[in-house]
Amino acid sequence: EPEVTQTPSHQVTQMGQEVILRCVPISNHLYFYWYRQILGQKVEFLVSFYNNEISEKSEIFDDQFSVERPDGSNFTLKIRSTKLEDSAMYFCARDSGGKQETQYFGPGTRLLVL
Amino acid sequence: GIQVEQSPPDLILQEGANSTLRCNFSDSVNNLQWFHQNPWGQLINLFYIPSGTKQNGRLSATTVATERYSLLYISSSQTTDSGVYFCAVFTGTASKLTFGTGTRLQVTL
Repeated sequence: EPEVTQTPSHQVTQMGQEVILRCVPISNHLYFYWYRQILGQKVEFLVSFYNNEISEKSEIFDDQFSVERPDGSNFTLKIRSTKLEDSAMYFCARDSGGKQETQYFGPGTRLLVL
Repeated sequence: GIQVEQSPPDLILQEGANSTLRCNFSDSVNNLQWFHQNPWGQLINLFYIPSGTKQNGRLSATTVATERYSLLYISSSQTTDSGVYFCAVFTGTASKLTFGTGTRLQVTL
């Protein structure tokens, strides 16, 4: 099955700046997810999104983070005021045919906060 | 929450060798996925295997759900197999995948 595309592939930003990471599903799906991976560590869940609402979020997903699907297609993750520790690879994922138990991942956006 | 542990954490093989990677999980799961993270950081789906055995070329996987573990077999390893292998589980009580700690594999000539 086709997966998702993510833009940008890399982003470098200054601490305190806002960043928006984008995810474009190839076809219509119900569930979307953001995960992150700090360099050398395991992949961690951030948030899941269903029917244009957050359905679940982790303790990592604090007030600095937000998600939306503004045009019914692109799915975005916004970090309002980046911190050094936000440097990570951010993955978007989608469900498989409406089933959450199988998830397909995008290629990731590598974010570096200086 | 569920705990997912992988072993070994690191593995170095010579090209042509076989290996077995293990994933243990602490609770019952609805699904388990194996991923290969390549040197560019991309997560490549290998298997969706909540139970039983599947094979795809030189790779095969077995999940014994009742005993809460899964194994990934790599036969006749190649340098392109290098990278980090993750298992991830879906419990159904939450909408997320919980990833294991990963096995870093290096295949040398």
